[in-house]
Amino acid sequence: TQLLEQSPQFLSIQEGENLTVYCNSSSVFSSLQWYRQEPGEGPVLLVTVVTGGEVKKLKRLTFQFGDARKDSSLHITAAQTGDTGLYLCAGARSHNTDKLIFGTGTRLQVFP
Amino acid sequence: DSGVTQTPKHLITATGQRVTLRCSPRSGDLSVYWYQQSLDQGLQFLIQYYNGEERAKGNILERFSAQQFPDLHSELNLSSLELGDSALYFCASSPQDSGTDTQYFGPGTRLTVL
Repeated sequence: TQLLEQSPQFLSIQEGENLTVYCNSSSVFSSLQWYRQEPGEGPVLLVTVVTGGEVKKLKRLTFQFGDARKDSSLHITAAQTGDTGLYLCAGARSHNTDKLIFGTGTRLQVFP
Repeated sequence: DSGVTQTPKHLITATGQRVTLRCSPRSGDLSVYWYQQSLDQGLQFLIQYYNGEERAKGNILERFSAQQFPDLHSELNLSSLELGDSALYFCASSPQDSGTDTQYFGPGTRLTVL
């Protein structure tokens, strides 16, 4: 059973378009992290959200944590080719639990 | 560069063999995590060590074991290898042992079992 489902699985868009990636669960998470992974490299942390309803912005990326802390979204405005990669959400279910549960991943390809 | 190093980068071996993957965490980080990433399973947590002690266990097979040494580097041992063990193996480290800590990932070891 996959606790964190991401959608879409694959996304192929033109440079300049906007997109949203979703991360959904039936479980409550104390915090949720978003990572980006490029081919041949390890995931790199983009953001951590910890409060229900929290919105964080990182340049053209906007992250939102759902009010019930069961879901999250990542919105990219005016995508660039450098945004290409695998986007992973990961949740921790309690502050004392060290096991991060990773989502199924969204593979984004941005074409020039 | 995350500061986490993993060796080797690539490993090709045969079924039934045993291999050891090595990880050096970022300077000062006490926690080390091991993950397996395959195409059909995504990124799966295997095991975590904190300051030399096993802290949490995930979907780690009995054929796999790990340890963290006094200098905090860690090794993941995979034995009786099967074709299905072919995957990317990542090590990550974090300063402490909180689930909200940032985990810094190494570049991974690509294991191919033939």
